[in-house]
Amino acid sequence: GAGVSQSPSNKVTEKGKDVELRCDPISGHTALYWYRQRLGQGLEFLIYFQGNSAPDKSGLPSDRFSAERTGESVSTLTIQRTQQEDSAVYLCASSTGQGAGGYTFGSGTRLTVV
Amino acid sequence: AQSVTQPDIHITVSEGASLELRCNYSYGATPYLFWYVQSPGQGLQLLLKYFSGDTLVQGIKGFEAEFKRSQSSFNLRKPSVHWSDAAEYFCAVQRGSTLGRLYFGRGTQLTVWP
Repeated sequence: GAGVSQSPSNKVTEKGKDVELRCDPISGHTALYWYRQRLGQGLEFLIYFQGNSAPDKSGLPSDRFSAERTGESVSTLTIQRTQQEDSAVYLCASSTGQGAGGYTFGSGTRLTVV
Repeated sequence: AQSVTQPDIHITVSEGASLELRCNYSYGATPYLFWYVQSPGQGLQLLLKYFSGDTLVQGIKGFEAEFKRSQSSFNLRKPSVHWSDAAEYFCAVQRGSTLGRLYFGRGTQLTVWP
């Protein structure tokens, strides 16, 4: 597609429930990133996929968080047993993987845990 | 480890006034440097980037930034601010040798008075 698409745009869930967030990167972009942005905070790195390489999971805050990506297409970020501190905007970005061209970001998924 | 500092959390300027947003980074070599803008409810949009060469780079929307190696700075400037520039601005760095994650500053919120 023309841009990075994220769904849903908003999600309200009850504490303890699992949620799945989806990211459709730009076609042909081999690199995909997930970031979290809490209210009034900067961007917190979560995970990075590059082609068929093992993902860089160093930013995942706990084992409740996981992410998958099939090939160079869609990625899903799953949060199990959600907590109130998981409330944030989850941003996905993709890039070409050919040198430092900067990312293209999606509009994010606003997650609210009540 | 890389780090990015944006010392100003919030800046207020009058429309038509000049603007400078500060960014300092910590990294052993020259990184790739970026400025992004985020409007309310939106994802991040790339304003400009620096890889090498001319230390003054021009971006979109009339913004420019200057890389100063001696000061480890990459400050963003605009000669005359418009009300539509009100947004949050993020400075980011990426290691120059490999593609990978961006390290973001905490952001500077810009308010523009009419």
